[in-house]
Amino acid sequence: QKEVEQDPGPLSVPEGAIVSLNCTYSNSAFQYFMWYRQYSRKGPELLMYTYSSGNKEDGRFTAQVDKSSKYISLFIRDSQPSDSATYLCAMRKAAGNKLTFGGGTRVLVKP
Amino acid sequence: DTAVSQTPKYLVTQMGNDKSIKCEQNLGHDTMYWYKQDSKKFLKIMFSYNNKELIINETVPNRFSPKSPDKAHLNLHINSLELGDSAVYFCASSQNNEQYFGPGTRLTVT
Repeated sequence: QKEVEQDPGPLSVPEGAIVSLNCTYSNSAFQYFMWYRQYSRKGPELLMYTYSSGNKEDGRFTAQVDKSSKYISLFIRDSQPSDSATYLCAMRKAAGNKLTFGGGTRVLVKP
Repeated sequence: DTAVSQTPKYLVTQMGNDKSIKCEQNLGHDTMYWYKQDSKKFLKIMFSYNNKELIINETVPNRFSPKSPDKAHLNLHINSLELGDSAVYFCASSQNNEQYFGPGTRLTVT
C-alpha cells in the first residue's frame, strides 16, 4: 500500500461545475500538504500549500486538510476547460524537504 | 527567463549507453532535486542536494549518480541504461516549502 493514495480518474465534469479532488495518506507525521497541477508534457506547478489541518482559499481553489481522518481535498469552483490537467497531491513531514506524491487525478473539463 | 531549466528535453538512447541530464535554476534556491515520473504519472524523489551537499538519496540503483557543481546546477548521470529507466525525469528547486519543477526530460531507452 502506497503512503499517499489518489484516485487516478479520469474525472470528467462540465464547464462551470465544481471539481472535487482528494487524497488519503497513512503517515500521521505529514504536516505540510500541497496540490500541484500538471499539464500534459509539462512539469508540475504548485497551486496550493497548507500547514496542518484547516482550510485555505485562493481564488477559485480551496484546499482542505483533515489530519484526524488523514484526508486532504482540493475544490475547484467554476471549472474551466483550461483546468483540464492532472492534479497531484504531495505532503511532507515537519523536518526535511522530501515530498511524497500521490499518483495524480486526471481531470477533464468539457465545454 | 525560465526559472528551472533542463536539457535535453527528449533523449532516446540504446540499452547499455551512458547519458547525462543537466538542470539549472536561476531562483537563488539552496536546494535542488531529481524526480522520476513513470508511465502511470507516479512522481518519486531520487536525490536532493542542499548547497552542493547530498541530503536525500532514495533507493536508487548506483548506476544513477547526481553531481552538483554549484548550488544553481544539479546534473544526473546514468550509466548502463536499462529499459526500465525509460521515464520522465524532473529537476526541481526549493527555498522553504515551495518546490518549483523544470519542464522534464523524457528518456526513452530502446
